[in-house]
Amino acid sequence: DAGITQSPRHKVTETGTPVTLRCHQTENHRYMYWYRQDPGHGLRLIHYSYGVKDTDKGEVSDGYSVSRSKTEDFLLTLESATSSQTSVYFCAISEGTGGEYEQYFGPGTRLTVT
Amino acid sequence: GESVGLHLPTLSVQEGDNSIINCAYSNSASDYFIWYKQESGKGPQFIIDIRSNMDKRQGQRVTVLLNKTVKHLSLQIAATQPGDSAVYFCAENRNYGQNFVFGPGTRLSVLP
Repeated sequence: DAGITQSPRHKVTETGTPVTLRCHQTENHRYMYWYRQDPGHGLRLIHYSYGVKDTDKGEVSDGYSVSRSKTEDFLLTLESATSSQTSVYFCAISEGTGGEYEQYFGPGTRLTVT
Repeated sequence: GESVGLHLPTLSVQEGDNSIINCAYSNSASDYFIWYKQESGKGPQFIIDIRSNMDKRQGQRVTVLLNKTVKHLSLQIAATQPGDSAVYFCAENRNYGQNFVFGPGTRLSVLP
């Protein structure tokens, strides 16, 4: 998976609790992304980062925040988890933006909010 | 790894036959497209891409065709192998932005 790890790989949490997912890369790529994957929707972009401390919202950012204090780490936080946030979360990295560039995906985190 | 138990359209092909997977994209202004493969329990993997100024692009055993008139994309896999069994989905992008729109995917099942 191109030097990308995600932790935890599985998590079950209760509604209303905070949750943080971590993405770690060893490729020194500039861009990092968080997606969620749900049946019938395909992958949807939550947030992305274009550098340390530089982040922007994606299509489904409500209820999520992110932080990137180091090139290699991109954190996704659910401040107060809801059942609608039950999903599989994928982190991705890329070298460039737009044009022809390839996104490398991590193995995913399955999050269940009860 | 993780995968999503999707109720997806399924294409079943005999090993050695050619496979054609189709994708209808949504935005006529999209100018860059990617095909991904997602095996069970893993993250998506880049297969091939194409820009809107092209109609066809070939890779190793794969060909992508783009029909802008009807907003249709197809992925052809030659001599399909058991290792090709996976979910395949397309993604479209517009104006070099960060926001790709991903299709829900098609499950390819290779029969022995």
